[in-house]
Amino acid sequence: DGGITQSPKYLFRKEGQNVTLSCEQNLNHDAMYWYRQDPGQGLRLIYYSQIVNDFQKGDIAEGYSVSREKKESFPLTVTSAQKNPTAFYLCASSERDLYGYTFGSGTRLTVV
Amino acid sequence: RKEVEQDPGPFNVPEGATVAFNCTYSNSASQSFFWYRQDCRKEPKLLMSVYSSGNEDGRFTAQLNRASQYISLLIRDSKLSDSATYLCVVNTLKRGAQKLVFGQGTRLTINP
Repeated sequence: DGGITQSPKYLFRKEGQNVTLSCEQNLNHDAMYWYRQDPGQGLRLIYYSQIVNDFQKGDIAEGYSVSREKKESFPLTVTSAQKNPTAFYLCASSERDLYGYTFGSGTRLTVV
Repeated sequence: RKEVEQDPGPFNVPEGATVAFNCTYSNSASQSFFWYRQDCRKEPKLLMSVYSSGNEDGRFTAQLNRASQYISLLIRDSKLSDSATYLCVVNTLKRGAQKLVFGQGTRLTINP
């Protein structure tokens, strides 16, 4: 079945550590996105990529980095520079921007 | 002004009731509109796209008013399983690329 897989589902990080969240899709979608959701809040765009080897900053890119070396994969690194990284991270993909997105099941990151 | 605004609720209604959500958006050039449903601690899932002529899917009806920049979702004969957060989503132009912007969501609880 086609879909988006995010891993891990839960992640605990010590302060000062970098962590990488995985996002893989087999939908043959060109565009991929990373969002962050805090309790009681909407989704905020971190980074997006519309094509392999190209990506753009979203609204809250500081403290995050991404790569898009393959169409299927769009990993997100949460660096130690991110001041408040505890959140629910959602990866999504779409055929084109004007279409709805398909989301992965998310990674819940907690800094301990 | 937020790009997409929703009444966060919560809405508590009895089973079988009709409930309506509204959403306003600020970018008059927006072209695509969606309603997503998000269950607690899960990823958002596309409920329905919203078309200018209005559209219906079973008990759900979505309307778009471009002049007022307003989108609505009506749920008839509500079921316990309709309890969720409903996200209004609008595409918007940012840095030369179309992006989806999410409202903060309206929480709905259907009571037996």
